[in-house]
Amino acid sequence: QVHLEQSGAEVKKPGASVSVSCKASGYTFTGHYIHWFRQAPGQGPEWMGWINPNRGATRYAEKFQGRVTMTTDTSITTAYMELSSLGSDDTAVYYCARSQGISLTDYWGQGTLVTVSA
Amino acid sequence: EIVLTQSPGTLSLSPGDRATLSCRASQSVISSTYVAWYQHKPGQSPRLLIYGATARATGVPDRFSGSGSGTDFTLTISRLEPEDFAVYYCQQYGTSPYNFGRGTKLEIK
Repeated sequence: QVHLEQSGAEVKKPGASVSVSCKASGYTFTGHYIHWFRQAPGQGPEWMGWINPNRGATRYAEKFQGRVTMTTDTSITTAYMELSSLGSDDTAVYYCARSQGISLTDYWGQGTLVTVSA
Repeated sequence: EIVLTQSPGTLSLSPGDRATLSCRASQSVISSTYVAWYQHKPGQSPRLLIYGATARATGVPDRFSGSGSGTDFTLTISRLEPEDFAVYYCQQYGTSPYNFGRGTKLEIK
């Protein structure tokens, strides 16, 4: 069955970068886009962007342009999201999700808590 | 960008009740139906319930139904089961950025 396993919680200082991984299994990795979202406490999920593992094409939300990089390693069916220049407002749970077509996400990872604190 | 407003913020009902959750978009959603609903329980990842405004995702019980088009969408749970108490989000996935609403918390009365 489809499963997305994310890396563990991270604590970072302001100004640092964080990388979150998302290991996919149970389906053809190159056949589905991977999206990244984040969710701050009390808020709805926020879309950050997607990557097409087949060709590596990406689309980022304007809010994160210049600060986020999404990559994949198809040999190990893993997607990565790196966010730089962290601030306290980047504290959130970060999720990866598989999509049907370009934008409908049907399976999500378990989430990775990223805490930014001095 | 399209902003989604969900109401009510919190809905207090009892098992067996009917729940009606609303989602209003700031502008018409592309193709009028690119709206999804997700259920989110604490410590779990969001679960896709409804897509295309009305289609149930695989394995979703038929007590969940979606309706609406254009800017107004509704998720209805016909008879609440104890496991249905959670937070529900609507999302539009037709136009980037694929925004979510702030959610409706469905709690036990």
